[in-house]
Amino acid sequence: DQQVKQNSPSLSVQEGRISILNCDYTNSMFDYFLWYKKYPAEGPTFLISISSIKDKNEDGRFTVFLNKSAKHLSLHIVPSQPGDSAVYFCAASAYRNNDMRFGAGTRLTVKP
Amino acid sequence: DVKVTQSSRYLVKRTGEKVFLECVQDMDHENMFWYRQDPGLGLRLIYFSYDVKMKEKGDIPEGYSVSREKKERFSLILESASTNQTSMYLCASRPGGSRNTIYFGEGSWLTVV
Repeated sequence: DQQVKQNSPSLSVQEGRISILNCDYTNSMFDYFLWYKKYPAEGPTFLISISSIKDKNEDGRFTVFLNKSAKHLSLHIVPSQPGDSAVYFCAASAYRNNDMRFGAGTRLTVKP
Repeated sequence: DVKVTQSSRYLVKRTGEKVFLECVQDMDHENMFWYRQDPGLGLRLIYFSYDVKMKEKGDIPEGYSVSREKKERFSLILESASTNQTSMYLCASRPGGSRNTIYFGEGSWLTVV
């Protein structure tokens, strides 16, 4: 049973518009959340993170929002660029736990 | 820069063969992980290790074993490869503490025929 869920396998947006990727989790012990980006034939690379004491974290064009009561987080990319086209994974870990769980990923396509 | 190196990028093995996937990290991280990536299933945790000679099962350990004899090295072993183990395998490492980033290697594509 997946503890981290990304229910949209794919998303397509126009260049310059906002991309919103969603993630839900079931384990209430999770307190640290991350987003990773993956290109084909490469390992995932870290994008942005948020701890449970915050509800928003920004880094340039990327913003992550956390809604703890809904066990939901989202990644906003504004403005979207063709180079953002990749698979995005949501990940979560729990305090005092060393492991990390990932979602199934969302393939983002940004059209010029 | 953190470096996680997976020894083989592409392997083709026969059903029933014993397969070793090797991973080395150069940042003295306590934790190391093996995931596999499959379409529609994302990254699934096979095993992880939080210290030398210590290991914990992830979500899909069946058919796999691991070895961590040195801090920097974490090996994934397929005792008897099967076609359903054809996948991309990703090694990762992470410093101790739960609020740290995990760093991935480039992945190993394994095809079992």
